[in-house]
Amino acid sequence: GENVEQHPSTLSVQEGDSAVIKCTYSDSASNYFPWYKQELGKGPQLIIDIRSNVGEKKDQRIAVTLNKTAKHFSLHITETQPEDSAVYFCAARTAAGNKLTFGGGTRVLVKP
Amino acid sequence: NAGVTQTPKFRILKIGQSMTLQCTQDMNHNYMYWYRQDPGMGLKLIYYSVGAGITDKGEVPNGYNVSRSTTEDFPLRLELAAPSQTSVYFCASLDRGNQPQHFGDGTRLSIL
Repeated sequence: GENVEQHPSTLSVQEGDSAVIKCTYSDSASNYFPWYKQELGKGPQLIIDIRSNVGEKKDQRIAVTLNKTAKHFSLHITETQPEDSAVYFCAARTAAGNKLTFGGGTRVLVKP
Repeated sequence: NAGVTQTPKFRILKIGQSMTLQCTQDMNHNYMYWYRQDPGMGLKLIYYSVGAGITDKGEVPNGYNVSRSTTEDFPLRLELAAPSQTSVYFCASLDRGNQPQHFGDGTRLSIL
């Protein structure tokens, strides 16, 4: 089955700096890659997603890049703010059952 | 629009007790999922359903059962609670392929 690795597990950045989280996946048939943000006591919330026919997608301060050949994708957050502090998860979707396989998560701390 | 609703939010069980975690969605989504999230870890798929009357095992199904008698509801049953089932349980739903999963806020379950 699909396996998703996520790095780093923790990331501390100064407010205003950029944060980058990287994920790799194993199943070349995966075709949809969402990123979720999870705040304390809440369920994961989708922040951005990318499909396999696109190499990059941007939404304000958040961008995601996908390299299908290398089977890795990354989340970029620019001009970080304290409210960006949370746990971020990447995931890869397999076609059968529309199932997501999640990475282990990255705890991001933005220091004011 | 309530989205995905999970009840209860918190529960403490004794070893060997049974309980049902409730999940309902009001978006008329076909796909529904149950995940568990252990401390500091990513989400692992327990069971999923592609429509009413159809369920299938995920990555970690042992000790759990599900049913899907309606489109809206997807309850998760623990028959003989064990300490290893202490976790946060998330339910999610999905409309169709290449769309994001929508998550509930979770049920925090402790088994003592």
